[in-house]
Amino acid sequence: ETGVTQSPTHLIKTRGQQVTLRCSSQSGHNTVSWYQQALGQGPQFIFQYYREEENGRGNFPPRFSGLQFPNYSSELNVNALELDDSALYLCASSRDLAGEAYGYTFGSGTRLTVV
Amino acid sequence: QQQVKQSPQSLIVQKGGISIINCAYENTAFDYFPWYQQFPGKGPALLIAIRPDVSEKKEGRFTISFNKSAKQFSLHIMDSQPGDSATYFCAASSGSGYSTLTFGKGTMLLVSP
Repeated sequence: ETGVTQSPTHLIKTRGQQVTLRCSSQSGHNTVSWYQQALGQGPQFIFQYYREEENGRGNFPPRFSGLQFPNYSSELNVNALELDDSALYLCASSRDLAGEAYGYTFGSGTRLTVV
Repeated sequence: QQQVKQSPQSLIVQKGGISIINCAYENTAFDYFPWYQQFPGKGPALLIAIRPDVSEKKEGRFTISFNKSAKQFSLHIMDSQPGDSATYFCAASSGSGYSTLTFGKGTMLLVSP
């Protein structure tokens, strides 16, 4: 059983640029959630995708957007990057929205640095 | 608004000692309380979780104590080992609509040999 894989592992972007982060879900998982973890903080929920539709969103502006594909892999896109977007971006997958029942599996994250 | 408050921010415990990390929540709709362990360069990994219908859950050296009336829960690590040195996060979710986790700010645990 494969876990959650994220790419790239590290990324440096310039303020104002756009970035795309990728996530492959654990086998058998059809729900993907994205979290932002600033240095020294706990992860904060960005949004969740279930069956290719956004199923919920945290307190993040519209320049944070996502996609989920038929194979349940997912992308997080961030436009007009700001310095405060520098963080570890985590992808978590689960089964059928039932993260509580079956558990969330987190990837190792993408470390984004905006300069 | 921080919905899950975690303390202490950092903790140093001697090998063999007991590590205790506390969390308090505000949202009474929360009904699932997991603890995650995170090593540097890795994502959080589920350690143990509890629901509010029980007051304690034990798995090996890890125990969650839950006080529903006080809206508090804690993680106890018995016989702490250097390999337990990591950052620990408490979290909570309500499972309504979309199930998502609200995390505390984390506790950096160092177990000295």
